[in-house]
Amino acid sequence: GQNIDQPTEMTATEGAIVQINCTYQTSGFNGLFWYQQHAGEAPTFLSYNVLDGLEEKGRFSSFLSRSKGYSYLLLKELQMKDSASYLCAVMDSNYQLIWGAGTKLIIKP
Amino acid sequence: GAVVSQHPSRVICKSGTSVKIECRSLDFQATTMFWYRQFPKQSLMLMATSNEGSKATYEQGVEKDKFLINHASLTLSTLTVTSAHPEDSSFYICSARVSPGTSGLDTQYFGPGTRLTVL
Repeated sequence: GQNIDQPTEMTATEGAIVQINCTYQTSGFNGLFWYQQHAGEAPTFLSYNVLDGLEEKGRFSSFLSRSKGYSYLLLKELQMKDSASYLCAVMDSNYQLIWGAGTKLIIKP
Repeated sequence: GAVVSQHPSRVICKSGTSVKIECRSLDFQATTMFWYRQFPKQSLMLMATSNEGSKATYEQGVEKDKFLINHASLTLSTLTVTSAHPEDSSFYICSARVSPGTSGLDTQYFGPGTRLTVL
């Protein structure tokens, strides 16, 4: 079967760095997405990786290793507003999105 | 975790026809369901919020007469793309919201998506 695994919840301190991991097993691969979702709101797109390596966007970076079926989202200089759920999703060979359950990130002062 | 299904997973239709997409929450009741649209390599775009037993709330720029949403029960919402045109070709994703309840956790579970191609 297809599955996406990511931790259910993580806690970090304001100003620190946190890494959210995502491992996947899918039938084919056409890219991996990270989304941020605040409670009660629609998800917002953070990043897209289709080639191995690190993609950096300001305070957020996303890494992909296709051979390992692994990705991580790195958040630097954490701010209180970064408290949210972070969703990992993989587009499979049929171009369907397989979603992880999301990681709830709690930022403490 | 909670499971949300969508049917069909893929549909190809001719221009001018209507297409209905179903979204079901399989093992929980969802008072709120969301319909999203996603273009390649782009973010999900919220189209509308569907509440059981009431009219859907559409986001700005989304034509409610073109994208008909019906949320007839706590486990089923449908999106009908009326008089579809090639520019409507996209990936449509629904999600179902689990109410916070006593846990306080407000979570949306997403369906696998429906790829619509209009010829």
